[in-house]
Amino acid sequence: DAGVIQSPRHEVTEMGQEVTLRCKPISGHDYLFWYRQTMMRGLELLIYFNNNVPIDDSGMPEDRFSAKMPNASFSTLKIQPSEPRDSAVYFCASSLLGAAGANVLTFGAGSRLTVL
Amino acid sequence: DAKTTQPPSMDCAEGRAANLPCNHSTISGNEYVYWYRQIHSQGPQYIIHGLKNNETNEMASLIITEDRKSSTLILPHATLRDTAVYYCIVRGYSSASKIIFGSGTRLSIRP
Repeated sequence: DAGVIQSPRHEVTEMGQEVTLRCKPISGHDYLFWYRQTMMRGLELLIYFNNNVPIDDSGMPEDRFSAKMPNASFSTLKIQPSEPRDSAVYFCASSLLGAAGANVLTFGAGSRLTVL
Repeated sequence: DAKTTQPPSMDCAEGRAANLPCNHSTISGNEYVYWYRQIHSQGPQYIIHGLKNNETNEMASLIITEDRKSSTLILPHATLRDTAVYYCIVRGYSSASKIIFGSGTRLSIRP
């Protein structure tokens, strides 16, 4: 398996532009997570899905952020309009809930977003 | 989900065992202890997890106290490549249980 695939790896955009980050989870995994990491705030959970259904989006900063998971093999995180404070590394992770209840995350390499 | 407390930083000599502590005094019966690490600019990497018993894999050992209120991650022979931020997380079974990363322990390995 190629692991969790994220694109783009790097994105530089101007304030006000729409940004779409993409994630392909590991095949067969039933959970997908989006995290954001900055120096000031560390790793923050934005939203997570179970079987393509959003379970908790309380970490999404504001209405400018939206996430979708149209099928088991693809998810997007969209920021519209983008602002300089959105500059961060965005990680996607997927997992499979084990029979004993353990849930081990595999992370992608991240998408580094810079908003000018 | 139970919160965890870790020292902000530690260092260890190369070749020695690195022992990273984690306090999770409010852990409940169905919550696992997970350890991840993040090497600079990479995504976090899973290391090991456990419920009650001590666990060992090719990367590390996890020692959980009998009352489950604390645990220690042991890297038996630390190398320079083990320099990273190490995160201890507790999480229960429920699909509504979030996986929250704290600030972790920054481990530096001295040559």
